[in-house]
Amino acid sequence: QQPVQSPQAVILREGEDAVINCSSSKALYSVHWYRQKHGEAPVFLMILLKGGEQKGHDKISASFNEKKQQSSLYLTASQLSYSGTYFCGTHEETSGSRLTFGEGTQLTVNP
Amino acid sequence: DSGVTQTPKHLITATGQRVTLRCSPRSGDLSVYWYQQSLDQGLQFLIQYYNGEERAKGNILERFSAQQFPDLHSELNLSSLELGDSALYFCASSVGAGETYEQYFGPGTRLTVT
Repeated sequence: QQPVQSPQAVILREGEDAVINCSSSKALYSVHWYRQKHGEAPVFLMILLKGGEQKGHDKISASFNEKKQQSSLYLTASQLSYSGTYFCGTHEETSGSRLTFGEGTQLTVNP
Repeated sequence: DSGVTQTPKHLITATGQRVTLRCSPRSGDLSVYWYQQSLDQGLQFLIQYYNGEERAKGNILERFSAQQFPDLHSELNLSSLELGDSALYFCASSVGAGETYEQYFGPGTRLTVT
């Protein structure tokens, strides 16, 4: 079951904040976040696990609401380099190690 | 640079043909994943191998097959190609096989079917 991301797109000015959401109708074991710049490979940002453990970059913050099967990625004091498409990927409790990605959220940071 | 290598970078071929995409994982990684990304679309999981064995399967077409060799590199074979198979194909690798491991993506192979 593909997770749903919102918003589909967001435009910011440098220094502004943004929140990207990811939700699933299935019970999740983990949520992964990746950023992809146009024509490049996705880059790992963070993993949030059921039970509260997190792994990822110090400058990225995210949350995982296990009751609602929702995750949010918080981008604060945005920089031009934050521009790209953000994908969440979810591991359902019943799907083993298969990672299902959302459609992505396109983030544009302007000067 | 993620440490995952993929060859070739670009591939142009005709409908009905067969191609092989190659992936070498990061040093020490045992899992390899294959994804398909069509124009401005999300990432569609195809298949995962862990230490030579198939671990998980996504919506991979019967015309597609993959394997992971003893040296841990992997190949994705696409046959009877159709126009709709044109896409970016990414390989990713991780240390382990489960849900707690981050995946590192290679630069991708852009396949164009004419």
